Amino acid sequence: QVRLVESGGGVVQPGRSLRLSCVASGFMFSSCGMHWVRQAPGKGLEWVAFIQYDGKNKYYADSVKGRFTISRDNSKNTLYLQTNSLRPEDTALYYCTKGSGYGFDIWGQGTMVTISS
Amino acid sequence: DVMMTQSPLSLPVTLGQQATISCRSSQSLVRSDGDTYLNWFQQRPGQSPRRLIYNVSRRDSGVPDRFSGSGSGTDFTLKISRVEAEDVGVYYCMQGTHWPPWTFGQGTKVEIK
Repeated sequence: QVRLVESGGGVVQPGRSLRLSCVASGFMFSSCGMHWVRQAPGKGLEWVAFIQYDGKNKYYADSVKGRFTISRDNSKNTLYLQTNSLRPEDTALYYCTKGSGYGFDIWGQGTMVTISS
Repeated sequence: DVMMTQSPLSLPVTLGQQATISCRSSQSLVRSDGDTYLNWFQQRPGQSPRRLIYNVSRRDSGVPDRFSGSGSGTDFTLKISRVEAEDVGVYYCMQGTHWPPWTFGQGTKVEIK
């Protein structure tokens, strides 16, 4: 069964950090680019970051560039998003989603990040 | 960045009737290889997004044939031919031709009249 399971979200103060994880199963993770997409409460979808299948190329939305880092461990079928210097506007449900081909065909259930003092 | 503009943003529909959602991109989504990376997603209340359509008009596995995508260049359409109660939710278009960034439309909320 093809599956993505995110974890690592929580409630943190502005300026703090969180590391999100996404464990993949049921497909050849090491052959697929992967994305993080977020959704603020009651809002639409916003692309956050992409990593190539081998981790060599990474791309970020301007809103997170310099603060977030996407990475992966293909030996563990796991995708990461290190989020630093968090701001209230980063409050959102963070999804990982498969990126190869036309992309975005598999989504996880999301992990909630809340930034509040 | 490519801007994706959907209309309408809210769409009340009678059960069994057709629903039509438009999506316009700020530049052509035809890539140099001739392919067009335009996807449609459905997000039911409380659920994760689900891809319905990719490459403008190709339905994903398990998607009912009452969903259809069409269009070219900068203008695209998602049609639901006979709306059912389970179709309630928010629908998004998204382009993957000119990246980064990958960009989504604002979303269209489909509800039953």
